[in-house]
Amino acid sequence: KAGVTQTPRYLIKTRGQQVTLSCSPISGHRSVSWYQQTPGQGLQFLFEYFSETQRNKGNFPGRFSGRQFSNSRSEMNVSTLELGDSALYLCASSRRGSGGAYEQYFGPGTRLTVT
Amino acid sequence: QQQVKQSPQSLIVQKGGISIINCAYENTAFDYFPWYQQFPGKGPALLIAIRPDVSEKKEGRFTISFNKSAKQFSLHIMDSQPGDSATYFCAAISGARGSTLGRLYFGRGTQLTVWP
Repeated sequence: KAGVTQTPRYLIKTRGQQVTLSCSPISGHRSVSWYQQTPGQGLQFLFEYFSETQRNKGNFPGRFSGRQFSNSRSEMNVSTLELGDSALYLCASSRRGSGGAYEQYFGPGTRLTVT
Repeated sequence: QQQVKQSPQSLIVQKGGISIINCAYENTAFDYFPWYQQFPGKGPALLIAIRPDVSEKKEGRFTISFNKSAKQFSLHIMDSQPGDSATYFCAAISGARGSTLGRLYFGRGTQLTVWP
């Protein structure tokens, strides 16, 4: 079974621009979460989507938004980019594991560099 | 405020040795504790996970020990190999058995180096 795919893998943008990142979950997984990874802050939760509805949101400004489509694919958007938005953006899809809990499987990430 | 505290930040172990990474938490609502392994240029990969009603879980060379009263859990890598050199993250989540996943709270990571 194919894993989580994210596109693009690398992106360079200029301050003030906006960017859209895409995530395709593992087939059959309905929940998609997004995380930001930076050396300074580590892995930080952005938001979670299930059945096209945002279920949870982390402590990020409104410039960060996302959505999920009926086929469970998800996109996240960052508007008015700032230098501090440079990070690895990770998407994870989840399924219920043998222990009853949902398990998250991460994609390779999109490396965003803001100049 | 860091919900999950992880130590050490870096660890160097000789091939064949035991690697031990520790994590601690405060939120008693956490009910699922996964460990992730991340290689450079890759996303975190789920390694092993444990529920708080279990004190130990073993999968191959990887073992999680869980101490619910102390609110601590640790990852032991037996017979460490150079291929185990990676960054390891502990994590915790509450409501993992609900209808959706919720958010993972990650530790800051431990960079493990296993030298031959």
